[in-house]
Amino acid sequence: GENVEQHPSTLSVQEGDSAVIKCTYSDSASNYFPWYKQELGKRPQLIIDIRSNVGEKKDQRIAVTLNKTAKHFSLHITETQPEDSAVYFCAAILSGYSTLTFGKGTMLLVSP
Amino acid sequence: NAGVTQTPKFQVLKTGQSMTLQCAQDMNHNSMYWYRQDPGMGLRLIYYSASEGTTDKGEVPNGYNVSRLNKREFSLRLESAAPSQTSVYFCASSPLPGQGVTEAFFGQGTRLTVV
Repeated sequence: GENVEQHPSTLSVQEGDSAVIKCTYSDSASNYFPWYKQELGKRPQLIIDIRSNVGEKKDQRIAVTLNKTAKHFSLHITETQPEDSAVYFCAAILSGYSTLTFGKGTMLLVSP
Repeated sequence: NAGVTQTPKFQVLKTGQSMTLQCAQDMNHNSMYWYRQDPGMGLRLIYYSASEGTTDKGEVPNGYNVSRLNKREFSLRLESAAPSQTSVYFCASSPLPGQGVTEAFFGQGTRLTVV
């Protein structure tokens, strides 16, 4: 089955800095890679996703890059704000299967 | 539009007691899932149902059973609760099994404590 590794487990940055979270996956057939944000006490919610036929996708301050050869993908947050503080989860899914495999999460703390 | 609704939000059980967590979605999704979330462990899949009438084990199914009652509802049952099942449980649903955009929508979670 798929295995997703996520690093770092915690990340502290100053407001305005950039933050990068990295994930690696094991199955080269995986073709969909979403990122979820979970605020304290809330449910995970999708913030951005990328498919295997695209190398990069951007949505305002958030971007995701995918390197299929190396089997890793990254979340980039620029100009971080205190409201970006949350736990972020990467995930991967195999075409033809119905389940997402999640990484263990990264707690991002943005200090004012 | 309620999305994914879980009940209850909080529950305390004694070891050996049983209970059922209820989940319903109103988005006409085919696939439904149950995850547990523990500190430092991320979201681990317990069981899933790719479509109405089917269920399959996930990563951590021991001690749990599920029922896909109809397309809307997917319940999780603990037959004999153990302290190791203390966790936050999330139900989720997605449109299609493994095809195209498969955004998973999560319920608000159930915080379960087994004493």
